[in-house]
Amino acid sequence: DTGVSQDPRHKITKRGQNVTFRCDPISEHNRLYWYRQTLGQGPEFLTYFQNEAQLEKSRLLSDRFSAERPKGSFSTLEIQRTEQGDSAMYLCASIPGGGRAYNEQFFGPGTRLTVL
Amino acid sequence: SQKIEQNSEALNIQEGKTATLTCNYTNYSPAYLQWYRQDPGRGPVFLLLIRENEKEKRKERLKVTFDTTLKQSLFHITASQPADSATYLCALASGGGADGLTFGKGTHLIIQP
Repeated sequence: DTGVSQDPRHKITKRGQNVTFRCDPISEHNRLYWYRQTLGQGPEFLTYFQNEAQLEKSRLLSDRFSAERPKGSFSTLEIQRTEQGDSAMYLCASIPGGGRAYNEQFFGPGTRLTVL
Repeated sequence: SQKIEQNSEALNIQEGKTATLTCNYTNYSPAYLQWYRQDPGRGPVFLLLIRENEKEKRKERLKVTFDTTLKQSLFHITASQPADSATYLCALASGGGADGLTFGKGTHLIIQP
């Protein structure tokens, strides 16, 4: 499968714990986006990378959230001191090199986070 | 503030009929508008993109219109099938900046046999 992959698919954690999610974009896709989706809502933009550079962060991304893309390939999203309000589906998307936000985005299956 | 509205209530259509979904936006001047399909527990899948200078775009049984005066896009599925049942998301991007897409809440479409 050469699509966007995310790991884990499901994560259950207790409030206050740290969690880390991984996204592997489609090979050679330079831009990588993170979104969060809660039940009954559309995805909300969190942040994006152009290669290894994090170029924009939404105001939704509190200081408990951090994202990295160290070698311009896979990306990780870490949430520290999780809160129940962090429960959501975390989606990753990528687009080819030279693309812009308005181009077709290829989404992964998401990581479903449940904070107890 | 910028706002994207989709009919968040479920839309029930009989198989074989045309399903029409609406996306309205305010305080926004999008250069591009996209439609995605999302099945339960899965990520969105891109369907169609339409530019501000295009009135209509077609792909197989799908048709999208974009009226920048009305600030509205209509998404049509002709000859609908039960397999078309899913949530359909409208998404906007400004086109000039580097930010991500802004999505509506989506419309849950149910095609009844």
